[in-house]
Amino acid sequence: DVKVTQSSRYLVKRTGEKVFLECVQDMDHENMFWYRQDPGLGLRLIYFSYDVKMKEKGDIPEGYSVSREKKERFSLILESASTNQTSMYLCASSLLAGAGEQYFGPGTRLTVT
Amino acid sequence: ILNVEQSPQSLHVQEGDSTNFTCSFPSSNFYALHWYRWETAKSPEALFVMTLNGDEKKKGRISATLNTKEGYSYLYIKGSQPEDSATYLCADDRGSTLGRLYFGRGTQLTVWP
Repeated sequence: DVKVTQSSRYLVKRTGEKVFLECVQDMDHENMFWYRQDPGLGLRLIYFSYDVKMKEKGDIPEGYSVSREKKERFSLILESASTNQTSMYLCASSLLAGAGEQYFGPGTRLTVT
Repeated sequence: ILNVEQSPQSLHVQEGDSTNFTCSFPSSNFYALHWYRWETAKSPEALFVMTLNGDEKKKGRISATLNTKEGYSYLYIKGSQPEDSATYLCADDRGSTLGRLYFGRGTQLTVWP
């Protein structure tokens, strides 16, 4: 079975802190994704990566950056956390474009105070 | 249609009722349509990936149909059970070669015993 793990289920950070969210997948998938989920807004794509060191902006990249140094690991970085980044963050991976389903991690609920 | 639209936004049914909801997507640049089920406190899980016009897929009491020419897909649940309570998400890929999906906001289904 594909497994996507995220470093924390719950995280509380202060405004201005630098925050790292880590995601690891164990199925050699090329594609990895970071989403945030807010009530009434569905899943919104922040960044994605289709290969090591390759990244593409999603729909809401402002305030975030990403790093993919190894194929299995994709990190989301909040350079200076703000209260409007309080959200549920989901990581996903997929093998193929188009017909390849995405496999999701359990999510990290981040609260910025 | 520029975005993936899902309706209704929420749905409350009694146990045993059959129900259906709609996903509308841009009909141009289509390659695949995905349905996911997202239960509370769990990760989204893929239900179906559909690529062919007229395709119909089934998993237990849940089935889905696809019309790529007019840009819609229906998800049906026969004899709803409380364990079917979840948010159902659909997504299309717009022919992306990078694995990116465009998600709708979901239909939240609650099945009352």
